[in-house]
Amino acid sequence: EPEVTQTPSHQVTQMGQEVILRCVPISNHLYFYWYRQILGQKVEFLVSFYNNEISEKSEIFDDQFSVERPDGSNFTLKIRSTKLEDSAMYFCASSGPFPDRYSNQPQHFGDGTRLSIL
Amino acid sequence: AQSVTQLDSHVSVSEGTPVLLRCNYSSSYSPSLFWYVQHPNKGLQLLLKYTSAATLVKGINGFEAEFKKSETSFHLTKPSAHMSDAAEYFCVVMDSSYKLIFGSGTRLLVRP
Repeated sequence: EPEVTQTPSHQVTQMGQEVILRCVPISNHLYFYWYRQILGQKVEFLVSFYNNEISEKSEIFDDQFSVERPDGSNFTLKIRSTKLEDSAMYFCASSGPFPDRYSNQPQHFGDGTRLSIL
Repeated sequence: AQSVTQLDSHVSVSEGTPVLLRCNYSSSYSPSLFWYVQHPNKGLQLLLKYTSAATLVKGINGFEAEFKKSETSFHLTKPSAHMSDAAEYFCVVMDSSYKLIFGSGTRLLVRP
């Protein structure tokens, strides 16, 4: 069964450094998402991406965050200058393959990247 | 705004006994609801989804959930727990912009 893959599984970064989290969505999917889960808290939405642009972003997704689909397979989340409070598990998800959102296609998640900011 | 409330943070059952994980939702329209499971150090795996077809939804690994509009509930059940079912379970609603809103999770413990 096709899977969403995320790399690395664990990233340790000094505060203030840039970090890029990588995701390979399921190949025929059209919608891409990032969520995060701070330890002990709920999973929360960050951003959705369709047709090479952001569809929606949450209040968390400020100017320090960006997403990109640099080629036909990868989907990346960049944090420009990390803060201690960015420490969390970051999940990538994808859904598709139909462009029609009304089919309510479920989102399929990767195993996550645990980001630790020191 | 859509939301889900998982009524139990922890549920403990003996192997072979039934499982009930409770979820109530709040939605201004007919919701799309999901249950996801997260095993330790793994991602979120879709168990089942409700999208206004049959109210009783069957999922993977013997799980099922029943959508009850009158009670605004979407409880997850399994007739007989297995040790491998020990994990965290999330009740999730899809909002009008198709992003997922997660509940706080229920940790299922299965005693031998």
